[in-house]
Amino acid sequence: GDSVTQMEGPVTLSEEAFLTINCTYTATGYPSLFWYVQYPGEGLQLLLKATKADDKGSNKGFEATYRKETTSFHLEKGSVQVSDSAVYFCALPTQGGSEKLVFGKGTKLTVNP
Amino acid sequence: DAGVIQSPRHEVTEMGQEVTLRCKPISGHNSLFWYRQTMMRGLELLIYFNNNVPIDDSGMPEDRFSAKMPNASFSTLKIQPSEPRDSAVYFCASRRQLGGELFFGEGSRLTVL
Repeated sequence: GDSVTQMEGPVTLSEEAFLTINCTYTATGYPSLFWYVQYPGEGLQLLLKATKADDKGSNKGFEATYRKETTSFHLEKGSVQVSDSAVYFCALPTQGGSEKLVFGKGTKLTVNP
Repeated sequence: DAGVIQSPRHEVTEMGQEVTLRCKPISGHNSLFWYRQTMMRGLELLIYFNNNVPIDDSGMPEDRFSAKMPNASFSTLKIQPSEPRDSAVYFCASRRQLGGELFFGEGSRLTVL
């Protein structure tokens, strides 16, 4: 079935370091792809999305490009801040449409000053 | 606008007791989702509703779990009887339309002793 696999964490970086969190997917067709973020003690919230191949989603300095050839949607940020410390989830809709959203296991990021 | 509202935020109970978690989705949203989050299993979809009708409950672990949505502004997730392995954070999320962004509540942290 449709699924996402993201890199295991935790990831610890110093402020202003470059961030990459890998995500690959298995899907029928070309579904939309999402990154959600969960800050401590909160629910998940949408960070960015891409709806078709070669699309780039971006928000708050984060970017991810929908790569059909490599079935990937890696999350990147050029210079992380302490406030980016959170858990990041890759997700895609399953069941051939957009009814259910399936999430990866999450990658915990800690940014130290 | 108010977000998704969940109650209680924290619940500690003893094994065998009934637990009821509540959710008020965002007004105007027609889909509602219940997720469970644990360290071991990540984020699991338990059940979702469209227009108050349960569409897919294949994620509900067993008969001890039940969910209802009597109207567009309220849903409950009930566990009876509760067991220690049910300890988790339970999230409710709502969505305005198919393929749209999921909005999550802050979660209900359940501890079963």
